[in-house]
Amino acid sequence: DTGVSQDPRHKITKRGQNVTFRCDPISEHNRLYWYRQTLGQGPEFLTYFQNEAQLEKSRLLSDRFSAERPKGSFSTLEIQRTEQGDSAMYLCASSLPFLGRSGNTIYFGEGSWLTVV
Amino acid sequence: AQKVTQAQTEISVVEKEDVTLDCVYETRDTTYYLFWYKQPPSGELVFLIRRNSFDEQNEISGRYSWNFQKSTSSFNFTITASQVVDSAVYFCALSEAYSGGYQKVTFGTGTKLQVIP
Repeated sequence: DTGVSQDPRHKITKRGQNVTFRCDPISEHNRLYWYRQTLGQGPEFLTYFQNEAQLEKSRLLSDRFSAERPKGSFSTLEIQRTEQGDSAMYLCASSLPFLGRSGNTIYFGEGSWLTVV
Repeated sequence: AQKVTQAQTEISVVEKEDVTLDCVYETRDTTYYLFWYKQPPSGELVFLIRRNSFDEQNEISGRYSWNFQKSTSSFNFTITASQVVDSAVYFCALSEAYSGGYQKVTFGTGTKLQVIP
């Protein structure tokens, strides 16, 4: 399988605990994105990496959230002191470099479902 | 700011019927990209199509067709002769061309399609 892969697929955690999700993008893609999707809504942008540099963060990404992509390959998204409102699906996506007028397609993984109880 | 509206929350059709999913978008950019993604129950967002704002040609791919009309800011998706496997949530999305040098995709709230055998 050469698509975007995410791990774990499902996580149930108690409020206050920390959780970490991992994303492995498509191998030749240098751009990596994290999105969050709650029930009945479309995905919402959280953050973006170009290689190892985190270039953009949404206001949705509170101080309890941190994302890394240390070697420009896989990425991790950590949520500290989880709250019930963090329950959502966290989607990772990747793409090739943006090509101006040609644009490019962002490919998504299967997502990591988080339930905070 | 960019916005995508999918007014149809849920649609049910009987197998073999044709169905059209509506999408209306708002953007101040003259260059932008439109997408449709399919999200089956497994959660993965499956890329269906990307359209550039400067290309208004309609597209057909098998049973799928897309009607892009800049005059009405719409990008509608038609499934001909629907099948049970088409049952999923379908998202329309918009990306502006130069949002900080990357593509920040804004999704609609999705249309849940149920195809009844």
